[in-house]
Amino acid sequence: EIVLTQSPGTLSLSPGQRAALSCRASQRVASNYLAWYQQKPGQAPRLLIYGASTRATGIPDKFSGSGSGTDFTLTISSLEPEDFAVYYCQQYGDSPPQHTFGQGTKLEIK
Amino acid sequence: EVQLEQSGAEVKKPGATVKISCKASGYTFSAYDIYWVQHAPGKGLEWMGLVDPEDGETIYAAKFQDRVSITADTSTDTAYMELSSLRSEDMAVYYCATSRLGELFVWGQGTLVTVSS
Repeated sequence: EIVLTQSPGTLSLSPGQRAALSCRASQRVASNYLAWYQQKPGQAPRLLIYGASTRATGIPDKFSGSGSGTDFTLTISSLEPEDFAVYYCQQYGDSPPQHTFGQGTKLEIK
Repeated sequence: EVQLEQSGAEVKKPGATVKISCKASGYTFSAYDIYWVQHAPGKGLEWMGLVDPEDGETIYAAKFQDRVSITADTSTDTAYMELSSLRSEDMAVYYCATSRLGELFVWGQGTLVTVSS
């Protein structure tokens, strides 16, 4: 099973700042099948990025994904109040599938 | 518009079985796999398994393999997740979601399962 480790656990930033969230895999993620989700309290997660760097439908370009192999990053430029949430990475490249999630990074207002 | 509508909250006793439904609309049901994800209080998301509605093939996460059953009914465009031998650690919100290759692009609203004697 591929284990995903997200860091930091909590990130405290101010509106207007830029956030960089890390997701490291215990082994190579095939085909860079790595997704990022945003979850706010009481809501279902929302897909932001898939294939490591492709934005999902309707996701603004302030969200960007990068990386390959075992190291991936979600970058959010110029934070707005609605961006403060928990972010999860998920890999879906393993076979047979055991599509694991990272433990999440909480992005909070400083 | 692709939508998933889940059944309502459940309260179960330890040892019981819960079955949650997920009705799809706005697309051809057999076109996408349906995944189930657990979100326990204070914890992260956990992938439980998936069903391919086209042929009913299922794959389960190792953690839930012995207790979970995921099915799909193409006559009603509805997927189901049944979890047996419930214990306190199973108290969580359960989500269904649609997937193309494994990325979960549309999610249901979630179903809260409470396990209490």
